[in-house]
Amino acid sequence: GAGVSQSPSNKVTEKGKDVELRCDPISGHTALYWYRQRLGQGLEFLIYFQGNSAPDKSGLPSDRFSAERTGESVSTLTIQRTQQEDSAVYLCASRVQGAGDTQYFGPGTRLTVL
Amino acid sequence: AQKITQTQPGMFVQEKEAVTLDCTYDTSDPSYGLFWYKQPSSGEMIFLIYQGSYDQQNATEGRYSLNFQKARKSANLVISASQLGDSAMYFCAMREGPSSTLGRLYFGRGTQLTVWP
Repeated sequence: GAGVSQSPSNKVTEKGKDVELRCDPISGHTALYWYRQRLGQGLEFLIYFQGNSAPDKSGLPSDRFSAERTGESVSTLTIQRTQQEDSAVYLCASRVQGAGDTQYFGPGTRLTVL
Repeated sequence: AQKITQTQPGMFVQEKEAVTLDCTYDTSDPSYGLFWYKQPSSGEMIFLIYQGSYDQQNATEGRYSLNFQKARKSANLVISASQLGDSAMYFCAMREGPSSTLGRLYFGRGTQLTVWP
């Protein structure tokens, strides 16, 4: 498809387990962003990648959170030893430099930690 | 301090009427961008409109316009001729720095708009 895709769409896990969330950006988009949206809240920035530059990790809430991206392709957000407060929708967005200023969002992964 | 403030948790408007959703922002950077996104109950984030800090004219996209008042640091979204399908959560967001920085967005807490027939 032409848009940002994310998988899984829903993930239910037990407290203490690790989870991996995947994002496929729009082809050719050099920048990729992860945000978290808790129920009834706005979006909270987590991390962003721009080409081969060092990622901006300033929004990661703890060292249990990490993310990787290979080149300008897929990114994986990993949450280790999940806690109930990690329950949220995790949204990925991508953007291409020099062609407008818009971040295009994927449908999100709804994470529920029991 | 909050970078983006949306003071209206909920707004109601009758179909075919216009509605204004408020947004104020806080930045000391002379270069920035302002965005509005719509999030229906399905959860997707839909880009609506963008205003650059150096743009002289208010942005417009169909029924959406952005009332940009730089001195007051406000970027209100105006929806004309509301439709039932406009019922959704609306988020105001800001990018600090020039577009080339590709930086993250700061989001407000959102305004839930309900359009009634």
